[in-house]
Amino acid sequence: SAVISQKPSRDICQRGTSLTIQCQVDSQVTMMFWYRQQPGQSLTLIATANQGSEATYESGFVIDKFPISRPNLTFSTLTVSNMSPEDSSIYLCSVKTGGTDTQYFGPGTRLTVL
Amino acid sequence: QKEVEQNSGPLSVPEGAIASLNCTYSDRVSQSFFWYRQYSGKSPELIMSIYSNGDKEDGRFTAQLNKASQYVSLLIRDSQPSDSATYLCAVNPQGNQFYFGTGTSLTVIP
Repeated sequence: SAVISQKPSRDICQRGTSLTIQCQVDSQVTMMFWYRQQPGQSLTLIATANQGSEATYESGFVIDKFPISRPNLTFSTLTVSNMSPEDSSIYLCSVKTGGTDTQYFGPGTRLTVL
Repeated sequence: QKEVEQNSGPLSVPEGAIASLNCTYSDRVSQSFFWYRQYSGKSPELIMSIYSNGDKEDGRFTAQLNKASQYVSLLIRDSQPSDSATYLCAVNPQGNQFYFGTGTSLTVIP
């Protein structure tokens, strides 16, 4: 499986500000995804990060709130914009490698919005 | 109806016992099934995947799949305190969408 890193690992932010989360993989991967895990909840897919094109967002998530970039096959960013306390969550990057459908997760970014 | 349902627990078993974790799913066309372990404050890590009906064993872990009953389970033999974690069931009906259950919290008592 790929080695995935995320930065920052945690942050505390003020309401109305934005935070960009980075996901770096040690090898080229076919698919990259962004998930949210709210306290006590399961994982919810935010979007699929597409290399060289706009991300594909799931129902309930929009580009203005969660802009995503994927400039190459090893790197992606997720921005949480105009944050509110409801955005407090763990944000996880995941990848699929090769021809498998298994997803592997990065260490996550724990975000607290005050 | 939730796509994937798990008993949230908590489930407690004594050290050395068998822990049994269960998961049901709603989409009959689902083909891929996964169990992840998540320690508190950490990200999910893959334990096993299973694609065909029957049992699949990997060390102390056995995944069981019954597509007719839309049921997948995970057995942990000789449970250890280090197995104490939340176990997430994930189902991949098609494409890239993964549906995760809310997880079952397991505590192994020394």
